[in-house]
Amino acid sequence: SQKIEQNSEALNIQEGKTATLTCNYTNYSPAYLQWYRQDPGRGPVFLLLIRENEKEKRKERLKVTFDTTLKQSLFHITASQPADSATYLCALDKARGQNFVFGPGTRLSVLP
Amino acid sequence: DTGVSQNPRHKITKRGQNVTFRCDPISEHNRLYWYRQTLGQGPEFLTYFQNEAQLEKSRLLSDRFSAERPKGSFSTLEIQRTEQGDSAMYLCASSAAKGSYEQYFGPGTRLTVT
Repeated sequence: SQKIEQNSEALNIQEGKTATLTCNYTNYSPAYLQWYRQDPGRGPVFLLLIRENEKEKRKERLKVTFDTTLKQSLFHITASQPADSATYLCALDKARGQNFVFGPGTRLSVLP
Repeated sequence: DTGVSQNPRHKITKRGQNVTFRCDPISEHNRLYWYRQTLGQGPEFLTYFQNEAQLEKSRLLSDRFSAERPKGSFSTLEIQRTEQGDSAMYLCASSAAKGSYEQYFGPGTRLTVT
């Protein structure tokens, strides 16, 4: 069956450290994989998209990798700050960018 | 740019009643998506439109749910004969048909069925 898993339900790290979140999928062949941030009571906010032929994408303190052989994406936040505390969702497309399915999310807490 | 708006923000209804939610996407976006989200879970796809055409509907969606986008602009999601299991946050998102496929989400409508 098709499945998307994100490493853990919750992750606590110390301010200034690098947070690494994992997204693993089974029985999908996505052309695109996205990462979103969601704060309590609000809709998700787009962060980054990576294509199947890209290994890595960066944006400021964020870095995403995409390994289609391992069926895994890693999302890194370097020099983490308490303001980075939120739930992070990965989403992958089911049909060439037309329809995206979301993982359950990882709740990140950056402790001062 | 006012972003994606949804109304109402909160809805409390009794079991068995019908409810309708509205979504106004970003004006130049021709794709519109509806999702449902429960606590601790990611958004669950319900349906999506390209312009006024409904291109896909989740197989998990019962026939009590219907969505429309009559003129390719705003969209409505109706739930008939609501059940307690329908209690959730209903999210709308829009995106451009071509480009990065990033979705812009609205604030959601929180439905509570008593």
